[in-house]
Amino acid sequence: AAGVIQSPRHLIKEKRETATLKCYPIPRHDTVYWYQQGPGQDPQFLISFYEKMQSDKESIPDRFSAQQFSDYHSELNMSSLELGDSALYFCASSFTGTSQETQYFGPGTRLLVL
Amino acid sequence: AQKITQTQPGMFVQEKEAVTLDCTYDTSDQSYGLFWYKQPSSGEMIFLIYQGSYDEQNATEGRYSLNFQKARKSANLVISASQLGDSAMYFCAMRERRISSGSARQLTFGSGTQLTVLP
Repeated sequence: AAGVIQSPRHLIKEKRETATLKCYPIPRHDTVYWYQQGPGQDPQFLISFYEKMQSDKESIPDRFSAQQFSDYHSELNMSSLELGDSALYFCASSFTGTSQETQYFGPGTRLLVL
Repeated sequence: AQKITQTQPGMFVQEKEAVTLDCTYDTSDQSYGLFWYKQPSSGEMIFLIYQGSYDEQNATEGRYSLNFQKARKSANLVISASQLGDSAMYFCAMRERRISSGSARQLTFGSGTQLTVLP
């Protein structure tokens, strides 16, 4: 079965650079979520999109932005990178047509800011 | 206040034995979903099992079962016949009800339990 695809899997950036993370949800899933997991921490929700419209958003830095495109893939953009942005970034997708609405996670993008 | 509490930072279990990972939650919603995910050292987040707040029976998925006690607001994961490959971090998560039609609801995670299966 198709899974959530994330690219790149690993990313190394310098401080103050920009990073773009991409996510391709499971086909026919209508909702995409982004989570950030710091070392030794649980995943923290960043932002979500339902049918290409921003749905929910936590208090994330203005340096972070995201969008979902017509083909349902999503991109998370992070500018002016800081050392503290180093983390594992997950994209997850779900289909709201079921009562469970299980979120299936991609393999994650491991971002290291030097 | 913590919405999801996992009080066991680390657990050890002998291979082939059963183990219970604890999870308590806090919500004022009547409609919510509870999930368990497994995160091996490689980092991916693997969905294991789901329990809906209105489900009257405990969920089961192969060797995984969920001991759901709604009045106590607990949703413990039981892994039977542990295998070496079960060694991983396990997260309990909750999805509360949708605010409005069409809006997504994110997961809130507990701090996780690191399970080690001993040969």
